[in-house]
Amino acid sequence: KNQVEQSPQSLIILEGKNCTLQCNYTVSPFSNLRWYKQDTGRGPVSLTIMTFSENTKSNGRYTATLDADTKQSSLHITASQLSDSASYICVVTRENQGGKLIFGQGTELSVKP
Amino acid sequence: DGGITQSPKYLFRKEGQNVTLSCEQNLNHDAMYWYRQDPGQGLRLIYYSQIVNDFQKGDIAEGYSVSREKKESFPLTVTSAQKNPTAFYLCASRGTVRTDTQYFGPGTRLTVL
Repeated sequence: KNQVEQSPQSLIILEGKNCTLQCNYTVSPFSNLRWYKQDTGRGPVSLTIMTFSENTKSNGRYTATLDADTKQSSLHITASQLSDSASYICVVTRENQGGKLIFGQGTELSVKP
Repeated sequence: DGGITQSPKYLFRKEGQNVTLSCEQNLNHDAMYWYRQDPGQGLRLIYYSQIVNDFQKGDIAEGYSVSREKKESFPLTVTSAQKNPTAFYLCASRGTVRTDTQYFGPGTRLTVL
Protein backbone atom coordinates (compact mmCIF):
# COMPACT_ATOMS: atom_id res chain seq x y z
CA LYS A 1 0.00 0.00 0.00
CA ASN A 2 1.31 3.46 -0.90
CA GLN A 3 1.73 5.37 2.34
CA VAL A 4 3.62 8.28 3.84
CA GLU A 5 4.19 8.30 7.61
CA GLN A 6 5.53 11.29 9.52
CA SER A 7 6.94 11.65 13.00
CA PRO A 8 6.57 13.12 15.46
CA GLN A 9 2.90 14.05 15.20
CA SER A 10 3.61 17.28 17.07
CA LEU A 11 6.65 19.07 18.41
CA ILE A 12 7.26 22.05 20.67
CA ILE A 13 10.64 23.79 20.65
CA LEU A 14 12.08 27.06 21.92
CA GLU A 15 12.88 29.87 19.54
CA GLY A 16 16.43 29.62 18.22
CA LYS A 17 16.68 25.85 18.62
CA ASN A 18 17.07 23.34 15.79
CA CYS A 19 14.72 20.45 15.06
CA THR A 20 14.37 17.53 12.67
CA LEU A 21 11.16 16.09 11.29
CA GLN A 22 10.98 12.58 9.87
CA CYS A 23 9.16 11.02 6.92
CA ASN A 24 9.03 7.35 5.90
CA TYR A 25 7.32 6.25 2.73
CA THR A 26 6.31 3.05 0.98
CA VAL A 27 5.36 4.63 -2.34
CA SER A 28 6.18 2.90 -5.58
CA PRO A 29 7.12 3.73 -8.26
CA PHE A 30 8.77 6.80 -6.74
CA SER A 31 9.01 10.06 -8.67
CA ASN A 32 9.85 12.78 -6.18
CA LEU A 33 9.40 13.91 -2.58
CA ARG A 34 8.37 17.34 -1.41
CA TRP A 35 8.11 19.06 1.91
CA TYR A 36 5.33 21.59 2.28
CA LYS A 37 4.72 24.15 5.02
CA GLN A 38 1.11 24.88 5.92
CA ASP A 39 0.22 27.77 8.18
CA THR A 40 -3.04 27.44 10.10
CA GLY A 41 -6.02 28.09 7.86
CA ARG A 42 -3.91 28.50 4.73
CA GLY A 43 -2.92 26.38 1.77
CA PRO A 44 0.38 24.42 1.81
CA VAL A 45 3.47 26.06 0.31
CA SER A 46 6.30 24.02 -1.21
CA LEU A 47 9.66 24.20 0.61
CA THR A 48 11.80 21.64 -1.21
CA ILE A 49 11.57 18.98 -3.87
CA MET A 50 13.93 16.03 -4.33
CA THR A 51 14.07 13.43 -7.06
CA PHE A 52 15.53 9.93 -6.75
CA SER A 53 19.09 11.06 -7.46
CA GLU A 54 19.16 13.92 -4.96
CA ASN A 55 19.98 13.34 -1.30
CA THR A 56 19.90 16.86 0.08
CA LYS A 57 18.22 20.15 -0.76
CA SER A 58 18.28 23.44 1.13
CA ASN A 59 15.94 26.41 1.21
CA GLY A 60 17.25 29.00 3.64
CA ARG A 61 17.06 27.55 7.14
CA TYR A 62 15.29 24.44 5.85
CA THR A 63 17.36 21.43 4.75
CA ALA A 64 15.74 18.28 3.45
CA THR A 65 17.47 14.93 3.03
CA LEU A 66 16.40 11.87 1.11
CA ASP A 67 17.61 8.28 1.40
CA ALA A 68 15.93 6.48 -1.49
CA ASP A 69 17.32 3.11 -0.38
CA THR A 70 15.67 3.18 3.03
CA LYS A 71 12.77 5.33 1.78
CA GLN A 72 13.29 7.96 4.43
CA SER A 73 13.41 11.74 4.36
CA SER A 74 14.02 14.37 6.99
CA LEU A 75 13.47 18.10 7.23
CA HIS A 76 15.92 19.97 9.42
CA ILE A 77 15.06 23.47 10.61
CA THR A 78 17.95 25.57 11.85
CA ALA A 79 17.70 28.46 14.33
CA SER A 80 13.92 28.25 14.55
CA GLN A 81 11.77 31.38 14.50
CA LEU A 82 8.25 31.98 15.78
CA SER A 83 7.08 32.13 12.16
CA ASP A 84 8.18 28.52 11.70
CA SER A 85 5.14 27.45 13.74
CA ALA A 86 3.07 25.50 11.22
CA SER A 87 2.26 22.03 9.96
CA TYR A 88 4.98 20.42 7.83
CA ILE A 89 3.75 17.91 5.32
CA CYS A 90 5.80 15.28 3.51
CA VAL A 91 4.40 14.49 0.06
CA VAL A 92 5.46 11.79 -2.39
CA THR A 93 4.57 11.67 -6.07
CA ARG A 94 4.18 8.37 -7.84
CA GLU A 95 5.70 8.03 -11.27
CA ASN A 96 3.28 8.13 -14.22
CA GLN A 97 0.22 8.88 -12.12
CA GLY A 98 -0.76 12.23 -13.59
CA GLY A 99 0.80 14.22 -10.77
CA LYS A 100 -1.24 12.54 -8.04
CA LEU A 101 0.31 13.09 -4.64
CA ILE A 102 0.37 10.93 -1.52
CA PHE A 103 0.35 13.03 1.63
CA GLY A 104 1.65 12.37 5.10
CA GLN A 105 -0.53 13.47 8.00
CA GLY A 106 1.86 16.28 8.87
CA THR A 107 3.96 17.28 11.88
CA GLU A 108 2.57 20.19 13.88
CA LEU A 109 5.50 22.38 14.97
CA SER A 110 5.10 25.02 17.64
CA VAL A 111 7.96 27.42 18.30
CA LYS A 112 7.74 29.15 21.66
CA PRO A 113 9.56 32.36 22.70
CA ASP B 1 -0.74 31.38 -2.79
CA GLY B 2 0.73 31.08 -6.28
CA GLY B 3 -1.98 32.68 -8.41
CA ILE B 4 -4.80 30.43 -7.24
CA THR B 5 -7.86 31.92 -5.62
CA GLN B 6 -10.63 30.17 -3.76
CA SER B 7 -13.88 31.64 -2.62
CA PRO B 8 -15.46 32.02 -0.23
CA LYS B 9 -12.95 31.59 2.63
CA TYR B 10 -15.71 30.47 5.00
CA LEU B 11 -18.97 28.83 4.00
CA PHE B 12 -21.89 27.66 6.06
CA ARG B 13 -24.48 25.24 4.73
CA LYS B 14 -27.63 23.73 6.07
CA GLU B 15 -28.03 20.00 5.86
CA GLY B 16 -29.60 18.90 2.59
CA GLN B 17 -28.28 21.84 0.57
CA ASN B 18 -25.84 21.70 -2.30
CA VAL B 19 -23.02 24.24 -2.26
CA THR B 20 -20.38 25.17 -4.85
CA LEU B 21 -16.80 26.13 -4.01
CA SER B 22 -14.93 28.30 -6.48
CA CYS B 23 -11.35 27.77 -7.67
CA GLU B 24 -9.64 30.00 -10.23
CA GLN B 25 -6.00 30.02 -11.38
CA ASN B 26 -4.06 32.41 -13.62
CA LEU B 27 -0.94 30.23 -13.88
CA ASN B 28 -1.89 28.73 -17.25
CA HIS B 29 -1.75 25.28 -15.66
CA ASP B 30 -3.47 22.38 -17.36
CA ALA B 31 -3.98 20.23 -14.27
CA MET B 32 -6.18 21.13 -11.33
CA TYR B 33 -7.05 19.24 -8.16
CA TRP B 34 -9.48 19.31 -5.25
CA TYR B 35 -8.50 18.01 -1.82
CA ARG B 36 -10.22 17.65 1.48
CA GLN B 37 -8.34 18.14 4.76
CA ASP B 38 -9.57 16.86 8.12
CA PRO B 39 -7.77 17.29 11.46
CA GLY B 40 -4.99 14.75 12.00
CA GLN B 41 -5.28 13.33 8.48
CA GLY B 42 -3.35 13.85 5.31
CA LEU B 43 -4.97 15.62 2.39
CA ARG B 44 -7.28 13.36 0.42
CA LEU B 45 -7.92 13.74 -3.30
CA ILE B 46 -11.54 14.33 -4.32
CA TYR B 47 -11.34 15.02 -8.06
CA TYR B 48 -8.70 16.07 -10.53
CA SER B 49 -8.59 17.34 -14.08
CA GLN B 50 -5.62 17.19 -16.43
CA ILE B 51 -7.24 19.05 -19.30
CA VAL B 52 -10.31 21.12 -20.10
CA ASN B 53 -13.55 19.16 -20.39
CA ASP B 54 -12.04 16.12 -18.70
CA PHE B 55 -11.81 15.07 -15.06
CA GLN B 56 -11.33 11.92 -12.97
CA LYS B 57 -12.48 10.76 -9.57
CA GLY B 58 -9.99 10.75 -6.77
CA ASP B 59 -10.03 8.65 -3.64
CA ILE B 60 -13.13 10.18 -2.02
CA ALA B 61 -15.35 11.42 -4.88
CA GLU B 62 -18.69 10.22 -3.49
CA GLY B 63 -21.01 13.12 -2.76
CA TYR B 64 -18.99 15.60 -4.82
CA SER B 65 -19.13 16.79 -8.42
CA VAL B 66 -16.92 19.02 -10.57
CA SER B 67 -16.78 20.65 -13.98
CA ARG B 68 -13.90 21.92 -16.10
CA GLU B 69 -15.37 24.10 -18.82
CA LYS B 70 -12.48 26.57 -18.76
CA LYS B 71 -8.76 26.09 -18.18
CA GLU B 72 -8.77 28.69 -15.42
CA SER B 73 -11.71 27.36 -13.43
CA PHE B 74 -12.46 24.11 -11.57
CA PRO B 75 -15.51 24.50 -9.31
CA LEU B 76 -16.41 21.83 -6.76
CA THR B 77 -20.02 21.12 -5.75
CA VAL B 78 -20.62 19.47 -2.41
CA THR B 79 -23.95 17.73 -2.72
CA SER B 80 -26.42 16.66 -0.07
CA ALA B 81 -25.22 13.09 -0.67
CA GLN B 82 -21.92 13.88 1.08
CA LYS B 83 -22.54 12.57 4.60
CA ASN B 84 -19.82 14.47 6.44
CA PRO B 85 -19.02 17.59 4.43
CA THR B 86 -17.61 19.78 7.22
CA ALA B 87 -13.91 20.14 6.34
CA PHE B 88 -11.22 22.40 4.90
CA TYR B 89 -11.18 22.22 1.09
CA LEU B 90 -8.06 22.97 -0.91
CA CYS B 91 -7.73 23.51 -4.64
CA ALA B 92 -4.39 23.10 -6.42
CA SER B 93 -2.97 23.39 -9.91
CA ARG B 94 0.15 22.07 -11.62
CA GLY B 95 2.07 22.59 -14.85
CA THR B 96 2.94 19.78 -17.23
CA VAL B 97 6.62 19.21 -16.44
CA ARG B 98 7.18 15.93 -14.60
CA THR B 99 8.50 17.54 -11.42
CA ASP B 100 6.20 20.54 -11.43
CA THR B 101 5.03 21.58 -8.01
CA GLN B 102 1.36 21.66 -7.15
CA TYR B 103 0.43 25.16 -6.06
CA PHE B 104 -2.36 25.41 -3.53
CA GLY B 105 -5.05 27.98 -3.05
CA PRO B 106 -5.85 29.51 0.37
CA GLY B 107 -8.66 27.04 1.05
CA THR B 108 -12.36 27.19 1.89
CA ARG B 109 -13.63 26.07 5.28
CA LEU B 110 -17.07 24.53 4.92
CA THR B 111 -19.25 24.05 7.96
CA VAL B 112 -22.59 22.24 7.87
CA LEU B 113 -25.04 23.54 10.44
